[in-house]
Amino acid sequence: QLQLQESGPGLVKPSDTLSLTCTVSGGSISSSTHYWGWIRQPPGEGLEWIGHIYYSGTTYYNPSLKSRVTISVDTSKNQFSLRLSSVAAADTAMYYCARHGVYFPFDYWAQGTLVTVSS
Amino acid sequence: DIQMTQSPSTLSASVGDRVTIPCRASQSISSSLAWYQQKPGKAPNLLIYKASFLESGVPSRFSGSGSGTEFTLTISSLQPDDFATYYCQQFNSYPYTFGQGTKLEIK
Repeated sequence: QLQLQESGPGLVKPSDTLSLTCTVSGGSISSSTHYWGWIRQPPGEGLEWIGHIYYSGTTYYNPSLKSRVTISVDTSKNQFSLRLSSVAAADTAMYYCARHGVYFPFDYWAQGTLVTVSS
Repeated sequence: DIQMTQSPSTLSASVGDRVTIPCRASQSISSSLAWYQQKPGKAPNLLIYKASFLESGVPSRFSGSGSGTEFTLTISSLQPDDFATYYCQQFNSYPYTFGQGTKLEIK
């Protein structure tokens, strides 16, 4: 059974960089038929797709965040990571990592990690 | 970006009711639509993909229909476990976008 688990700080200071890692177990991140993505959800609000990465390193980002987002992959560790720079209070959210197939929605999600931006 | 609209934002219903939750896309997305159920403090759970295909393990009382710009999630007979928030999502083109959600409440 595929499982995903986020890790990283739960508190980030304004203007700093948010960094999260998603570890995949029970399956290979080097799958040729899947992408690995990040989605966030501010408290009490809806879902926002941040971006995704393919095992080869190909990425696509939401244009609304593109200037601040970097997603990377480490196939040797079966992990992928999110970096969001210059954070502000509006970046406070539950951050989820998830898997989706080519032209297929998100079928496996991690439990989510709450990141609060505050001094 | 393709805007996904879900209205109403809250729906009240009773156990046993048949419920339909609509979702509209700002432009045609063919059948590239998914439905998720989210309970408080939990990650979304995929229910329906490609507008009408039931994800493995999802009860058959859930069904999806539609294509183009108009879509519907139907729950044939509401169970107590179904009271949650439901989101639609398009995966036809980047950036992937979600509707703002419909919260299903107990009447």
